Amino acid sequence: DVKVTQSSRYLVKRTGEKVFLECVQDMDHENMFWYRQDPGLGLRLIYFSYDVKMKEKGDIPEGYSVSREKKERFSLILESASTNQTSMYLCASKPTATLYGYTFGSGTRLTVV
Amino acid sequence: GQQLNQSPQSMFIQEGEDVSMNCTSSSIFNTWLWYKQDPGEGPVLLIALYKAGELTSNGRLTAQFGITRKDSFLNISASIPSDVGIYFCAGRETSGSRLTFGEGTQLTVNP
Repeated sequence: DVKVTQSSRYLVKRTGEKVFLECVQDMDHENMFWYRQDPGLGLRLIYFSYDVKMKEKGDIPEGYSVSREKKERFSLILESASTNQTSMYLCASKPTATLYGYTFGSGTRLTVV
Repeated sequence: GQQLNQSPQSMFIQEGEDVSMNCTSSSIFNTWLWYKQDPGEGPVLLIALYKAGELTSNGRLTAQFGITRKDSFLNISASIPSDVGIYFCAGRETSGSRLTFGEGTQLTVNP
């Protein structure tokens, strides 16, 4: 089975800190995604990457950046964390063949205080 | 970005009841997917639909790809307590590989 691993299940950070959320997948998928999940808003796409060193903005990229130096790893960076970035963050990956859905990690619940 | 309209937002049902939820879009999709998210976990794919009119079952779950290609529904028959969670629809337009997700349906099953 494809495994998408997010390095932390729970994080508490202070306002203004630089925060790194890490995601690793083990099935050589080309595409990787970062979503945030908030009650009543569903899953909103922050950034995605379709290849190493490639990145595309999603629907809500403000306040975030990403890094994909290796195919298996996709990092989400909060340059200066703010309380409105308190959320559940979900990483996903998929192969390029469009018939396949996404495989999600278990999520990182980030609280910014 | 575009959002799908998923309804209902939440459901509270008794064990053994059937459940129905649906998603509608203003755009045409060529793929509809249904995911379930257990508490504290990431969403897991339940059913994938690739053709208009397609009806697909996975155990007690049945999903259909609407013939207009702008909607989909998910039915759960004879619900059990482990059906509790958030159910998301997701659609993919013809032009690319990005999925658009619905807002989710929170399902609670009372024993």
